[in-house]
Amino acid sequence: TQLLEQSPQFLSIQEGENLTVYCNSSSVFSSLQWYRQEPGEGPVLLVTVVTGGEVKKLKRLTFQFGDARKDSSLHITAAQPGDTGLYLCAGAPGTGGFKTIFGAGTRLFVKA
Amino acid sequence: DTAVSQTPKYLVTQMGNDKSIKCEQNLGHDTMYWYKQDSKKFLKIMFSYNNKELIINETVPNRFSPKSPDKAHLNLHINSLELGDSAVYFCASSQAGRANEQFFGPGTRLTVL
Repeated sequence: TQLLEQSPQFLSIQEGENLTVYCNSSSVFSSLQWYRQEPGEGPVLLVTVVTGGEVKKLKRLTFQFGDARKDSSLHITAAQPGDTGLYLCAGAPGTGGFKTIFGAGTRLFVKA
Repeated sequence: DTAVSQTPKYLVTQMGNDKSIKCEQNLGHDTMYWYKQDSKKFLKIMFSYNNKELIINETVPNRFSPKSPDKAHLNLHINSLELGDSAVYFCASSQAGRANEQFFGPGTRLTVL
């Protein structure tokens, strides 16, 4: 059973377009993380959201944590080829802890 | 300067062999992890050590044995390698109180022939 469902699984868009990636669960998370992974490398942490309803911005990336702390979204404005990669959401259900669950990822390809 | 390093980067071996992967972090973190990423890019935790103590041991075959000689190192030994063990193995670390904010190594691509 996948505790963190990501959608879409794959996204191919033109440079300059906007996109949103979703991460959903039936479980409550004390925090959720978003990572980006490029081919041949390990995931790199982008952001952590902790408070229900929280919105964080990282340049053209906007991250939101759902009010009930069961879901999160990543919105990219004016996507660029450099945004291409695998985006992973992750978190520890319940009160947190060391066992981090990862979503299956959204593979983004931005065409120039 | 590398925060989390793994060796080797690539490992190609025959079925039945025994191999080890090494991981080192210089971030001063107290928790380290091993993950397996399959061909569909799904990351699954295998083991976690906190201050050299095993705290997470998922349903992994006992052919896999982690060892943490100190807080900065976590190695993974695999006995009797099988075809299904082929995957990319990632080491990661985190600091106390921020367990879910993990720093990953570059991965070891294991291919079992």
